[in-house]
Amino acid sequence: SQQGEEDPQALSIQEGENATMNCSYKTSINNLQWYRQNSGRCLVHLILIRSNEREKHSGRLRVTLDTSKKSSSLLITASRAADTASYFCATDSTGANSKLTFGKGITLSVRP
Amino acid sequence: DARVTQTPRHKVTEMGQEVTMRCQPILGHNTVFWYRQTMMQGLELLAYFRNRAPLDDSGMPKDRFSAEMPDATLATLKIQPSEPRDSAVYFCASGFGNFGFGTQHFGDGTRLSIL
Repeated sequence: SQQGEEDPQALSIQEGENATMNCSYKTSINNLQWYRQNSGRCLVHLILIRSNEREKHSGRLRVTLDTSKKSSSLLITASRAADTASYFCATDSTGANSKLTFGKGITLSVRP
Repeated sequence: DARVTQTPRHKVTEMGQEVTMRCQPILGHNTVFWYRQTMMQGLELLAYFRNRAPLDDSGMPKDRFSAEMPDATLATLKIQPSEPRDSAVYFCASGFGNFGFGTQHFGDGTRLSIL
């Protein structure tokens, strides 16, 4: 079963609107990360939030983490057509066999 | 900006052939990861190294895949013999840390097609 699962699978919005993407996970984590991928190209790290943090900001990005609900959200404010991409959450699970596990991604389309 | 470099960018070959993919991590990074991305399975971790030591290769089919890091500037992923189901994009990523997993920097990937 997938450790990190994003929701929704696909999102289409108008330029200027906010985009909210969610990620749920199953086991305890050290941190949660969000990455972006344009058209099958390399993944680019966006933001990392540690398990003892609740919210982080980076430019137009805002990430929240609720460890009690095992969920995170990525908010992109004032979206631009250039934000069109796939977004992945990745969880660094705790434990002896920890690894960074990626979800299947959310496809975001921002219409000009 | 420092980048992870992967070669080749594209590879098309017939089944049964050996495939070698190479990765040059960012200088100073001590962790290297190999991922495979397909539409069906998404992004899967195949293997990773820390300080050149293999720490986890449980995601790799061991009968045909092998990952090595002959020195700090080169990581390799080999498939022998290759099969059509190995067709995918293979990404290498590098990072720095002595425990857990922090930010990873990805290469542009090797797009592999096995005919």
